[in-house]
Amino acid sequence: QVQLVESGGGVVQPGKSLRLSCAASGFTFKSYGMHWVRQAPGKGLEWVAVISTDGNKKFYADSVKGRLTISRDNSKNTLYLQINTLREEDTAMYYCAREHPHGMDEWGQGTTVTVSS
Amino acid sequence: SYELTQPPSVSVSPGQTARITCSGDALPKKYAYWYQHKSGQAPVVVIYEDNKRPSGIPERFSGSSSGTMATLTISGAHVEDEADYYCYSTDSSDNPHFGTGTKVIVL
Repeated sequence: QVQLVESGGGVVQPGKSLRLSCAASGFTFKSYGMHWVRQAPGKGLEWVAVISTDGNKKFYADSVKGRLTISRDNSKNTLYLQINTLREEDTAMYYCAREHPHGMDEWGQGTTVTVSS
Repeated sequence: SYELTQPPSVSVSPGQTARITCSGDALPKKYAYWYQHKSGQAPVVVIYEDNKRPSGIPERFSGSSSGTMATLTISGAHVEDEADYYCYSTDSSDNPHFGTGTKVIVL
């Protein structure tokens, strides 16, 4: 069955960097675009970034442009999100999700990032 | 910045109909999607392309769109439908956005 498992979250000091991973299984990873979506505590879902199947096209929310980088390694069936210069407002649950014509049809359970000194 | 506006909450009695609206300037030309998000779980798409229901989603969930407003309707709400619901669409430059979210309370 389709599985998306995020990892790499934790408690990090402001200004530091973090790389989140999303390991995919149960489907042909290289055939799907992939998204990152986050949810800050007590807030709604926020779309963060999307990457094309081959990794050549990447789009970001205006709120994260220049600090977050989405990437993928199709040989490892893994999606990444690099977050630089972490800010307290980056504190959130981060989800990866599979792009499908029917919407984001598969999601991971999320990994929590807490930015705190 | 583009915004998809939803009511903060909607209350409905079991068996009654809940309607959740989503307002956005680009909706006349862009599809709306609806996601159900229960606490501690991953979001689930319940409506795609304005009014289509993925396999496995109960028939009581339906969607419509007219002008700048999309609507998710839960006909005959069940207690287990209590969740946060988010619309999702793109702006005129095709940048994705989630709506502000609506808490559906079934009691």
